[in-house]
Amino acid sequence: DAKTTQPNSMESNEEEPVHLPCNHSTISGTDYIHWYRQLPSQGPEYVIHGLTSNVNNRMASLAIAEDRKSSTLILHRATLRDAAVYYCILNYGGSQGNLIFGKGTKLSVKP
Amino acid sequence: KAGVTQTPRYLIKTRGQQVTLSCSPISGHRSVSWYQQTPGQGLQFLFEYFSETQRNKGNFPGRFSGRQFSNSRSEMNVSTLELGDSALYLCASSLYRPTPGNEQFFGPGTRLTVL
Repeated sequence: DAKTTQPNSMESNEEEPVHLPCNHSTISGTDYIHWYRQLPSQGPEYVIHGLTSNVNNRMASLAIAEDRKSSTLILHRATLRDAAVYYCILNYGGSQGNLIFGKGTKLSVKP
Repeated sequence: KAGVTQTPRYLIKTRGQQVTLSCSPISGHRSVSWYQQTPGQGLQFLFEYFSETQRNKGNFPGRFSGRQFSNSRSEMNVSTLELGDSALYLCASSLYRPTPGNEQFFGPGTRLTVL
């Protein structure tokens, strides 16, 4: 199974941009890159996903390297509410679609 | 539109007992997946149901089972509880079968404690 590597933790200041990296060097051509986050005492929440091109939505942007071996989740202005564990997941094109979570990155946001 | 609901939110059982957890997906969603979250193993996929049939299964023992009803609501059952079954059990729903190209919506989870 293709795996992802993320830093265990990151810190950010409120209202500053945050770049959360993810390495997935064994990604295959049909693997989508998904990001979910889990706020304290809640279930995971979908953030964004992409295949090859960069993606933007109201929550975040996803920048995918040209070789697809890494990606970066960008929160444009961090708020205290963005403090969560962020999971980068490869959702296999050939699989049944179940999510395989790693340990994620715990993001702390300082006021 | 209401989100995914799970009941009960908290549950305490003793070893050897069995437990049933319930999940109501978002209205109109037909697929329900179950995940177990523990501090040691993180989030792990249990199984997925669509149209009342189990479509996909993770690597868990047979003590873990589930079912889905015609209204898409799902239940999971754990028999002969062990201390290691203490976990947060999460349910996720999607409109159709989860595919790599779309997202899943998670409920708040049921916190099960086995004493």
